Amino acid sequence: SQQGEEDPQALSIQEGENATMNCSYKTSINNLQWYRQNSGRGLVHLILIRSNEREKHSGRLRVTLDTSKKSSSLLITASRAADTASYFCASRTGANSKLTFGKGITLSVRP
Amino acid sequence: DADVTQTPRNRITKTGKRIMLECSQTKGHDRMYWYRQDPGLGLRLIYYSFDVKDINKGEISDGYSVSRQAQAKFSLSLESAIPNQTALYFCATSGVVNQPQHFGDGTRLSIL
Repeated sequence: SQQGEEDPQALSIQEGENATMNCSYKTSINNLQWYRQNSGRGLVHLILIRSNEREKHSGRLRVTLDTSKKSSSLLITASRAADTASYFCASRTGANSKLTFGKGITLSVRP
Repeated sequence: DADVTQTPRNRITKTGKRIMLECSQTKGHDRMYWYRQDPGLGLRLIYYSFDVKDINKGEISDGYSVSRQAQAKFSLSLESAIPNQTALYFCATSGVVNQPQHFGDGTRLSIL
């Protein structure tokens, strides 16, 4: 079964609005990562948050991690049409363990 | 030039054929992975390799085999392709422990 489950499955917003995507996982993690996939392309790493961290920022991206709720959120502020893509969370349970990906969220940003 | 290159990008073939998908990388990473992506199922790990002499099965290895020919090359084979192996296949690499993975642009495989 999937370790990570994203919510919602699809999100459509207007350019300039903020987009919030959520990820829940089942077992304790070492770190959680978010990836982006443009149509027809491979996944691109966005941000990694470790289990002892609660929040990280990278440009317009903000990721939070709540280990007590086994959940993470990705916030994209001031969205742009170019942010249209699928977004995946991926969790790693141990230092040498595999990454387990969720099913992904499709984000559409309308110009 | 891409850091992780997959060939071919697209392939259509028939049931029962042997197929090899190739992956090469210029990132100097020891760790390489093969994933399969199906609509609504996300990415599932087929095989992974932490160095040239190391091969490990992932969650869906049945029907697949791999070869790590060199640090930079990791190939995936379907010995006798079947239609439910139609999917998008990705190769990825990573460096030391806990580093992010870097993906190729995928091979779209259709088996008729």
